[in-house]
Amino acid sequence: AQSVSQHNHHVILSEAASLELGCNYSYGGTVNLFWYVQYPGQHLQLLLKYFSGDPLVKGIKGFEAEFIKSKFSFNLRKPSVQWSDTAEYFCAVSAAGNKLTFGGGTRVLVKP
Amino acid sequence: EPEVTQTPSHQVTQMGQEVILRCVPISNHLYFYWYRQILGQKVEFLVSFYNNEISEKSEIFDDQFSVERPDGSNFTLKIRSTKLEDSAMYFCASSDTTSGDTDTQYFGPGTRLTVL
Repeated sequence: AQSVSQHNHHVILSEAASLELGCNYSYGGTVNLFWYVQYPGQHLQLLLKYFSGDPLVKGIKGFEAEFIKSKFSFNLRKPSVQWSDTAEYFCAVSAAGNKLTFGGGTRVLVKP
Repeated sequence: EPEVTQTPSHQVTQMGQEVILRCVPISNHLYFYWYRQILGQKVEFLVSFYNNEISEKSEIFDDQFSVERPDGSNFTLKIRSTKLEDSAMYFCASSDTTSGDTDTQYFGPGTRLTVL
C-alpha cells in the first residue's frame, strides 16, 4: 500500500523567507504527485501536480516542486513567502485506481 | 471557475441517526470521490464512484456507508447509523474524464459532521 509522509507538522517563518516542505512517498510503481493547499476557512486547492516529464514543476502563486525518483520525494518550494501563504499544505500521491493518499499536512504560518 | 459544492457545511447529529451529506461535482466530471479527515489526522480516502457504481472503496467504507447519484447533479454519502468516531470533516471531490486528466481531483469545501 502506498503511504505519504510530510516531515514537518508546523513551520513558522517570516515574510520574504524561503520555504521548503518535504514529502516522501512509498510506492514501487508509477505515481502521480500533487500538492494541495488549504487556506484558513477554505477548501483544498490544487497547487501543482506531476505526472511525467520535467521533474521540476511550477504551480500557482510562485510555488514549485521537484520530483526526485531515486529519493521518492516531491518537495515543495517557494523562494519568498508572503503573509498570504499562511495555510496548510498537503502532499498527495495517486497510483493505480485514482484514489489519493495524503500526507499528514504541514501548517505554515508566515509572520508579517 | 466551476467548483465542487457541498451541503450542509456543518451537521450535528445524535449517535445512531442517519445522515446524508450532499455534493454537487463539477458539471462535466464523471469520477466522484469521498474523503474524510478526523480532527488531527490525515485526509483518508473513503470511496470512488464512476459510471453509477463504486469503483474502489477503503476498509473504512463499511456497510454503514453508501453512496448514490440520485440525479444528474448530486452525489451523496449516507451514513446509516452514525457513531461517535464518524465525527470528521467529509470532503467530496470530482475529476474530469473528458480531458484525460482523471487523476486531478477538485475538492469541495467539506461538511463538518459532529456526532454526539
